[in-house]
Amino acid sequence: GAVVSQHPSWVICKSGTSVKIECRSLDFQATTMFWYRQFPKQSLMLMATSNEGSKATYEQGVEKDKFLINHASLTLSTLTVTSAHPEDSSFYICSARGPGGQGISGGYTFGSGTRLTVV
Amino acid sequence: RKEVEQDPGPFNVPEGATVAFNCTYSNSASQSFFWYRQDCRKEPKLLMSVYSSGNEDGRFTAQLNRASQYISLLIRDSKLSDSATYLCVALTGGGNKLTFGTGTQLKVEL
Repeated sequence: GAVVSQHPSWVICKSGTSVKIECRSLDFQATTMFWYRQFPKQSLMLMATSNEGSKATYEQGVEKDKFLINHASLTLSTLTVTSAHPEDSSFYICSARGPGGQGISGGYTFGSGTRLTVV
Repeated sequence: RKEVEQDPGPFNVPEGATVAFNCTYSNSASQSFFWYRQDCRKEPKLLMSVYSSGNEDGRFTAQLNRASQYISLLIRDSKLSDSATYLCVALTGGGNKLTFGTGTQLKVEL
């Protein structure tokens, strides 16, 4: 089945530093990548949608200059949290969808998530 | 009002019990619906799609009522391994956006 590899699984960083999270689709071409954030006891909230080769579309309330998304290839998308602060501590998950809706989960394949803690 | 609403629980049930979760959605343009399962500190995983005619997968039965904008999940003969958070999900945005409910936590006990 379709697999999305997300790294790192967890990261602890100091306030003010930047953190990059990678998602790779291993056996299909991810034309669309979705980035979610989940705070404790809350639902997954979509942050942005990116199509390969295009600028990401951000959801209302998500700062595009703080959460930089790059989707330069059909198998790799990155999310960079710039100048991280403790309130950015959260669980970040990517989800990939192929051109024909490949991937499991109704056409969406999720990465395993990255737990970011900013101290 | 949240686009997808669920009772957060937790629901504590004994092993072997039958338990039902409900979910309501506000966007009548939502096209498809799913139930996902999320274990603690893990990514969500698809449990099953939900169809208006109702669908069953082993011990799990899902139902969709478009008129009432209501979705349900029934788990029969619950196992300890069923303990997780169950997420109700709607596909919106022209079929390109998954909107998640906050999830209902289930704890199955001996």
